[in-house]
Amino acid sequence: KNQVEQSPQSLIILEGKNCTLQCNYTVSPFSNLRWYKQDTGRGPVSLTIMTFSENTKSNGRYTATLDADTKQSSLHITASQLSDSASYICVVKDRGSTLGRLYFGRGTQLTVWP
Amino acid sequence: EADIYQTPRYLVIGTGKKITLECSQTMGHDKMYWYQQDPGMELHLIHYSYGVNSTEKGDLSSESTVSRIRTEHFPLTLESARPSHTSQYLCASSVALATSYNEQFFGPGTRLTVL
Repeated sequence: KNQVEQSPQSLIILEGKNCTLQCNYTVSPFSNLRWYKQDTGRGPVSLTIMTFSENTKSNGRYTATLDADTKQSSLHITASQLSDSASYICVVKDRGSTLGRLYFGRGTQLTVWP
Repeated sequence: EADIYQTPRYLVIGTGKKITLECSQTMGHDKMYWYQQDPGMELHLIHYSYGVNSTEKGDLSSESTVSRIRTEHFPLTLESARPSHTSQYLCASSVALATSYNEQFFGPGTRLTVL
């Protein structure tokens, strides 16, 4: 069973609108959580990272939140642009191994229409 | 953009062929990884390396093999490709220092199709 669950699976919004993507995880012990953006045919690129003590982190129009108690995170995109069309992947790192294993969600496929 | 490269970007081959997917990085990272990703599914770790002459199998069983003779190079080989190997293969690298913030930088991927 995947330890990182994302919702919705896909989302279509109009350009200029805001949206929020959700991530629930069960990974323990927790090290950090990253949101990645993966354009079609490309590798994932990190947008934000949060550790246990951080509950919000912004990167331009992207704002991520983390509730370590409920093991939930969200990624809010404001004033969406066509270039925001991509898959957004929630990735949780555990601190229980030397490798620092990563657990990947299946991603939310976001499509921004003009 | 990360300095990690993969070739070829796309490969269509017949069953039974031997193939090597190339991955190289110019960031001097010690740790390197290979992931397999099917459409709409999560990335699965198939191989990783802590450094030169170090290779380990990941969580997802794979018939592929890897080698790490040079720090910057981490090729993946399939001795006899089958249709079940059709997938996207992503290479990544990170620094060896064991801090919480170590980011894995991903290459653009190789889309493999075995007919």
